[in-house]
Amino acid sequence: RKEVEQDPGPFNVPEGATVAFNCTYSNSASQSFFWYRQDCRKEPKLLMSVYSSGNEDGRFTAQLNRASQYISLLIRDSKLSDSATYLCVSVESSYKLIFGSGTRLLVRP
Amino acid sequence: DAGVTQSPTHLIKTRGQHVTLRCSPISGHKSVSWYQQVLGQGPQFIFQYYEKEERGRGNFPDRFSARQFPNYSSELNVNALLLGDSALYLCASSSAPLNSYEQYFGPGTRLTVT
Repeated sequence: RKEVEQDPGPFNVPEGATVAFNCTYSNSASQSFFWYRQDCRKEPKLLMSVYSSGNEDGRFTAQLNRASQYISLLIRDSKLSDSATYLCVSVESSYKLIFGSGTRLLVRP
Repeated sequence: DAGVTQSPTHLIKTRGQHVTLRCSPISGHKSVSWYQQVLGQGPQFIFQYYEKEERGRGNFPDRFSARQFPNYSSELNVNALLLGDSALYLCASSSAPLNSYEQYFGPGTRLTVT
């Protein structure tokens, strides 16, 4: 079983739609989680942290469910520029990031 | 301010050869991590260095080695290259010594092994 699992997609949605991604993690001791965004052939960029209490940043909302060991990312009012791959990340230790394989999002006009 | 820089951008090598990749962290960051990203997969952790010492190593063979210099820049070395080493190699820097999980990535070096 992979340490961090994501649905690869692609999720193909129209502009303005709301889309949600889930990610599951296997290490119950993981303390910190993040979502990164990666554009085609570019480096990953930190999108947002994920807290048990939830975290909202504009159109983006991240949630953590420790009991079920999953993390979610909700994007409201999708823009064409949101098209990218979204990587779920679990922090295994103070320095080691465990990445999922990513979920690809395509936002169409 | 300059972000993380990596060189070279692209590299083509032949099986059995050796390669050295270079990374300069964000100014003021003392920690550097290396990741390998194969097409279609997420980045996989290779090493982390802080203050010139190795703090962690991922599940990679001994053909992979790295070091960090007094100016906090870093090199990743891969010996006896295999076709499977073809990937995007990413360097990430962070500032915090104990909670180095807020990492900022460089543009990567795309290595092709033929």
